[in-house]
Order: sequence, then C-alpha cells, then structure tokens
Amino acid sequence: EVQLVQSGAEVKKAGESLEISCKGSGFTFTRNWIGWVRQMPGKGLELMGVIYPGDSETRYSPSFQGQVTISADKSTNTAYLQWNSLKASDTAMYYCAIVQPAGGWFDPWGQGTQVTVSS
Amino acid sequence: QSVLTQPPSVSGTPGQRVTVSCSGSRSNIETNTVNWYQQHPGRAPKLLVFRNNERSSGVPDRFSASKSGTSASLAISGLQSDDEAHYFCSTWDDTLIAWVFGGGTNLTVL
Repeated sequence: EVQLVQSGAEVKKAGESLEISCKGSGFTFTRNWIGWVRQMPGKGLELMGVIYPGDSETRYSPSFQGQVTISADKSTNTAYLQWNSLKASDTAMYYCAIVQPAGGWFDPWGQGTQVTVSS
Repeated sequence: QSVLTQPPSVSGTPGQRVTVSCSGSRSNIETNTVNWYQQHPGRAPKLLVFRNNERSSGVPDRFSASKSGTSASLAISGLQSDDEAHYFCSTWDDTLIAWVFGGGTNLTVL
C-alpha cells in the first residue's frame, strides 16, 4: 500500500526552529515528487514546494521561497520541511503528498502535522 | 486571494444534485488539466477527480467533473450526508510556474 506517514503535532515558540517529516512506503521514493501543502486554520490549501528525492531537486512556490527548507533522505525514504525561525503565522496544518507525474495531481496524502506557534 | 475562484459554500438536500464551480484563466485551467479534492473535517484531503474528469479509485460515479475554457465544475448527484465536506479544485499555472488551488467550497447537506 502506498503510504505517507507524517510526524506528530508540534507546539513551539516564535523564533524556535522546527523540522517535520514525511516517511514514504509502498512505492519507489526516489522516483516520485513529494509536495508540501499548508492549510492555515479555516483556510484553503497552499502548495509550499516540491522535492524529487532522486536528486534532491527542489522547487518552491514564490510565497514560500526563503521561508522554509524542503529536503529528503533517500536512505530512509523521508522528506522534511524545516523552519529556522518560526513565526506565529506559521501555525497551520501541514500535509505532504505524492505528486503524480502524469498530470500533477496529489495522491495520496499524509495524515497531516499540526504546527502551533505561540508568540 | 486564490488564483482559482470557488464559491465559499453550496448546499443541497439528500438525493439532490449540486455543482461546485472553479473559475480560472488562460494560464491555468484553460491550458492544463484540473483535479478535485475532497476534505472531510479534521481529515487530510483526498483525490476525487484527476485529469479533468477521471474519478480516482473507489470514487462513486455520483461524482463527475468537466472543464470548458477557463472554468471547471464538479457535480455530485444523489447527495448523501457523507458528501458534506470541503471541495478544492487544483491545476498548474503556467505564469506562476506552480500548482495552484481554489479557495475551497464547503458543501452542506441539509
């Protein structure tokens, strides 16, 4: 079964650093793009960026360039989303998902990681 | 402000047919395929339709989608209480060089 399992909920303070993870199984991790999607409370979906673990090519959506770092570890089939200095506005649910190459749809999705940042 | 425009909410009674619209532009919907996602409260989004009108595995044929010009739509017939969820459209934008999502539509089954 193709599956993405994300790390657990995080509660942090503004200014702290954070890395959340997304572990893939049931598919060839290095041959699929993995995307990270933000959903702020009560809001819609925003693609933050994507990574191709095979060669670590990473593309960021303009709004998120310089705000986060996306990386992947081929040896553990895990993608990461990292912040160096969190802001209260980073409070959101974060999802990872496989980007299907044939047409760019996202499937399947991880279960989500809630990040709460207090000021 | 989302690149793709969806109505914030739609509603219907059990058994009815409802449609969710998704309006875009030449740089996104008109030139690329559209995908639809369903998100129940507190759950991760789930792929519903890909490549404009192909249902994902396990999605009942009560769900159908189409695209014309710069707009797309999702239709749900034989409305059921479990259809109550948020629905998002998504596609690639050639100008932004990124995948974009609509703001989402909250479907209420009365």
